[in-house]
Parts: sequence; structure tokens; C-alpha cells
Amino acid sequence: AQRVTQPEKLLSVFKGAPVELKCNYSYSGSPELFWYVQYSRQRLQLLLRHISRESIKGFTADLNKGETSFHLKKPFAQEEDSAMYYCALPKTSYDKVIFGPGTSLSVIP
Amino acid sequence: EAGVAQSPRYKIIEKRQSVAFWCNPISGHATLYWYQQILGQGPKLLIQFQNNGVVDDSQLPKDRFSAERLKGVDSTLKIQPAKLEDSAVYLCASSTGTSGRPIQFFGPGTRLTVL
Repeated sequence: AQRVTQPEKLLSVFKGAPVELKCNYSYSGSPELFWYVQYSRQRLQLLLRHISRESIKGFTADLNKGETSFHLKKPFAQEEDSAMYYCALPKTSYDKVIFGPGTSLSVIP
Repeated sequence: EAGVAQSPRYKIIEKRQSVAFWCNPISGHATLYWYQQILGQGPKLLIQFQNNGVVDDSQLPKDRFSAERLKGVDSTLKIQPAKLEDSAVYLCASSTGTSGRPIQFFGPGTRLTVL
């Protein structure tokens, strides 16, 4: 069965420190994963998708098929990065998306 | 472009009462989704429409939840009767519906509290 796990419910880092939000998935096939973010009092929105291989707001994520992971990384955390982050795995049919439970990132000034 | 609109933003009801939520997707988006997000959890898909047809309602508690998208645009989600465990944020999202894993755009959500 397709599944997304995010082992950390809460992650706190100091401003300027590196941050890594973990995501693991189970999927039989060639996955395409997303990271969604929800800032305080804002809507859930797409942060980045692995297929685009781009850096958004300094964040990058690499798909590791061997480890079935799609960890989100940023070398220097900023206070404005504090938010809920959800890893998401689209299913093959009908564009259905499975969301992980989310990680709350808190960047300490 | 205008985003996904939802109303009401907040609703408080007592158990066994009925409630309805409304969603207006982004113009031209063929696919519409309703998610339930319980505190501390990720969004869980309740139902997915492609135009006005249902393509996935496997996780919709059909004994109490219903949804419709009559003209392939706006959608309503109804709960009748509500239970305490239905307290959650109900999110509506839409996407273009074309192939290639389109991006979902979310509304602000409706926070339901069942007392």
C-alpha cells in the first residue's frame, strides 16, 4: 500500500542552522513526491516537487529511491521558515494525493 | 487569479445536528477534492470529483457524509448527523485535472467544532 511517513512531529532549530525534515514513502512504481507547507494563518500550498528539481526559498529535496526517502533540506534556517510541512505522494490514478502527518518546524531566533 | 473559496470559515454545532460546507474552486479546474484534517494529522481525502462525477469516495463515511458537485463547479459537503469525532478542519482543493500530477490549490478551510 502507498504510504508516507514523517517521523518527527516537531522539529526545533536555531536560526542559521541547517534543517532537514524527513519523509519516507512506500510505493510500487516510480514516485513523484511533493512538499507542501502551511504558514501560520495561511493556506496549505505547494513548496516544491521533486520532478522540477528546483530550490524554493532555499529548500531542496532529493528523491532517494534506495532509501525510499524525500527529505527536505535547507542549509541555513530562517525565522520565516517556521511552519507545518507535509510530504505528499501522488497516487497513479486520478491525481489522488496521500499526505504525511506533517512536521512542525520552529526556528528559534 | 482568484483562489479556492470556502464558507463558512468556522462552524460550531452540537452533536447530532447537521452542517454543510461550500466550496468554489479555481475557474476552469476540473478536479475538486474535499479533505478532512484532524488536529495533529495530515489532510485525509474524503472525496474527489472530476467535473461532476465522483472518482474516489472510498474514505467518505457515507452513512453520515454526502457531497455533490452538480454543475461541475461549486461543491457542497454535508454531515448529518454530526459526531464529536467530526471536529476537524475541512479543506477544499482544486486542480486542473490534466495528467502529470497537477498541483492542488487549497482553500482556507472550514473549522468545525462539534460539542
